[in-house]
Parts: sequence; structure tokens; C-alpha cells
Amino acid sequence: AQSVTQPDIHITVSEGASLELRCNYSYGATPYLFWYVQSPGQGLQLLLKYFSGDTLVQGIKGFEAEFKRSQSSFNLRKPSVHWSDAAEYFCAVGALGGGADGLTFGKGTHLIIQP
Amino acid sequence: EAQVTQNPRYLITVTGKKLTVTCSQNMNHEYMSWYRQDPGLGLRQIYYSMNVEVTDKGDVPEGYKVSRKEKRNFPLILESPSPNQTSLYFCASSPMGRGPETQYFGPGTRLLVL
Repeated sequence: AQSVTQPDIHITVSEGASLELRCNYSYGATPYLFWYVQSPGQGLQLLLKYFSGDTLVQGIKGFEAEFKRSQSSFNLRKPSVHWSDAAEYFCAVGALGGGADGLTFGKGTHLIIQP
Repeated sequence: EAQVTQNPRYLITVTGKKLTVTCSQNMNHEYMSWYRQDPGLGLRQIYYSMNVEVTDKGDVPEGYKVSRKEKRNFPLILESPSPNQTSLYFCASSPMGRGPETQYFGPGTRLLVL
């Protein structure tokens, strides 16, 4: 069965500093990986996704993520965070088959931005 | 505008009183799904549907029912809600292709069962 681990429950970063959120996955085949963001009181918004090809993927809002098969990781990065980036971030792995198995989510990382 | 809508957005009910949370999408997606989100547990899939009249259980289906009579709608039914079903619920949809597709999420329904 597929699984996703986000080892950091909370992360605090100063505004303007760089950010890296960790995500490790377990999946028997080629993983399809996603990062979603959930702002307070809001639904989930897709930041970026990896299906194949270039292992460094660019997303919205200045985020990027790098797929490393050897480490089973898909860490999310941003060079300089803004106060509006404070939110809950979820890493997810999906299955082949048009999403028939749905998405398996990590438990989320709560990002706090210090002024 | 392409979107997934859910109603109601907020609901307070009492144990045992049947309720339905509606989900509708206007993107002609075949695949629809329900998740619940609980603190420290992330999102877990309740039920999913790959097309009209085709539904299947996800990871946490107990206490829930769904139906898919029309392509655009996928209601979640709680026949006899209990306090442990207090949660934030998300509906999602995606096209069914030959590979994985991005799921689009509704705004969420926050349910409190007293």
C-alpha cells in the first residue's frame, strides 16, 4: 500500500528566508506526486505535481519540488517565503489508472511565518 | 468557471439525524471522491466513483453512503451520524485518463455532530 510521510508537523520560518518541506513516500510502482496547500478556512489548492520527466518541477506561487527516486522523496522548496505562505501543506501520492485509487495524503506540515 | 461545489459549508447536527452533503462539479469529470480531514491524520478517502452508478469504498467508509446517479453529482450520506464523524469533508473530481490526473477539490464542509 502506498504511504506518505511528512516528518515535520510544524515549521517556523522568518519572512524572506528559504523554505524546504520534506516529503517521503512509499509506493510499489512509479509514483505520481503532488503538493497541495490549504490556507486557513480554505480548500486545497494544487501547488505542483510530478508525473514523469524532469525531476525538478515548478509550481505556482514560486514553489518548486524535486523528485529523488533514490531517496523516495519529493521535497517542496521556496527561496524566499512571504507572510501569505502561512498555511498547511500536504504531500500526496497518486496511483496509475486515472486516479481510481484516489490520493494518499501525508498528515500535513503547518507552516508559520515569523515577521 | 470550472469548480467543485459543496453544500452546506457548515453544518451542526445531532447524533442519529440523517444528513446529506452535496457535491457537484461542472467539468464533466468521470472520477469523484470524498475525503475527510482530521487534525494530525491528514486527508483520508471515504468513497470514490469512477463513473455514473460505479462507486467503491475508500479507506474509511464506515458510517457513510454515496450515490452517483448523475455524472456531475456525488452526494455523501450519513444515515445515522455519530460524534466521531465530526470532521472537515472534501469532495474532489478528476477526469479519467490513462494515467494519473490532478484532482480538483471543493471548498470543504465542516460538520459537527453533537
